[in-house]
Amino acid sequence: DTAVSQTPKYLVTQMGNDKSIKCEQNLGHDTMYWYKQDSKKFLKIMFSYNNKELIINETVPNRFSPKSPDKAHLNLHINSLELGDSAVYFCASSQWGLAGSGELFFGEGSRLTVL
Amino acid sequence: SQELEQSPQSLIVQEGKNLTINCTSSKTLYGLYWYKQKYGEGLIFLMMLQKGGEEKSHEKITAKLDEKKQQSSLHITASQPSHAGTYLCGAVKTSYDKVIFGPGTSLSVIP
Repeated sequence: DTAVSQTPKYLVTQMGNDKSIKCEQNLGHDTMYWYKQDSKKFLKIMFSYNNKELIINETVPNRFSPKSPDKAHLNLHINSLELGDSAVYFCASSQWGLAGSGELFFGEGSRLTVL
Repeated sequence: SQELEQSPQSLIVQEGKNLTINCTSSKTLYGLYWYKQKYGEGLIFLMMLQKGGEEKSHEKITAKLDEKKQQSSLHITASQPSHAGTYLCGAVKTSYDKVIFGPGTSLSVIP
């Protein structure tokens, strides 16, 4: 069983569209994250939820809206897609709180291409 | 400027050779992580270092954290093609903190 799973793995869409990426973890972790990896492979945190509560919201355009229906799921919705949104989006989870004292478990990534 | 720097940016080695990747922080860290990423895949946790001077090993990979907890090195002994990928260091400044990542070091191992 995959610990952290994301769908879809690939997403190609036109500028201006709205799209969602879903993430589920079956590890029983309290905290989930969205990271964005750009074309230069630089990985930056976007959001973090702890038990469905938003605890990190980095400087991200408000076109990006995370939603956590329960602590096992964290979805990312993106409105009015722009070319610069093209990247690989990684979902991750950690056992408790923020990951200061433990490892992050990552999904395989969702590669978004905006044309 | 980035909080975490890695060197080298990329590395190509012959199979069987040893290599070292460095990660440097501009600030004292609470913890330092090493992750490996294969192309098209997620990050795999290798190890975490927390104490100044700490050293950990996993198979042929050894990581050390300096006494000041601002620099870490990852050393691979007798490299194999399976070691190829991108190695990222990640760091936290406190026990309750988000993980920030370095830019990564791309490693290729030539058989």
